[in-house]
Amino acid sequence: DAGVIQSPRHEVTEMGQEVTLRCKPISGHNSLFWYRQTMMRGLELLIYFNNNVPIDDSGMPEDRFSAKMPNASFSTLKIQPSEPRDSAVYFCASSFFPGNTIYFGEGSWLTVV
Amino acid sequence: GQNIDQPTEMTATEGAIVQINCTYQTSGFNGLFWYQQHAGEAPTFLSYNVLDGLEEKGRFSSFLSRSKGYSYLLLKELQMKDSASYLCAAAYNFNKFYFGSGTKLNVKP
Repeated sequence: DAGVIQSPRHEVTEMGQEVTLRCKPISGHNSLFWYRQTMMRGLELLIYFNNNVPIDDSGMPEDRFSAKMPNASFSTLKIQPSEPRDSAVYFCASSFFPGNTIYFGEGSWLTVV
Repeated sequence: GQNIDQPTEMTATEGAIVQINCTYQTSGFNGLFWYQQHAGEAPTFLSYNVLDGLEEKGRFSSFLSRSKGYSYLLLKELQMKDSASYLCAAAYNFNKFYFGSGTKLNVKP
């Protein structure tokens, strides 16, 4: 079975550029999560969707960040404009329902220079 | 969120037993998860506790006390490959999932 699939795996971009991260959750999972991980702040929940609807986006740092889930098999996290402090690993994860075991993708390693 | 607390770092010897503790707020609590994360990799699911008691899975066991807001992960017969970060995570109100900062375990020969 395919796990959570993320792309790109690695991205280096210049400050001010738009960054789009993509995620395909595990088939049949109804909840999708976007996390950010840094050494300083650990694993932070940015936003999560249930049945394609954003439920909690209180972790989204600021208006430069946006996330969409147009259908059950695809989600994007967009940063526009990007800043060096956005450099982190961004994980997408999914579960059958909120509160159930979460399975992570391999992460998108973002470096903004 | 929810004050998930666990030690920052621990060191143990190959072949030994180590216990990693985790405390959390009990209000609205649904269940406790443990994840393992090797450097440069994604977290992977280890265990899930919803009822009080011990859940055993091979060399790894996880314990939960709901009334005390306390859990631990027990690793037996430590191997070098067990060197990793161990993340405690708690689910609340069937729609929130919070991770602790992780415990970095160093296994020495």
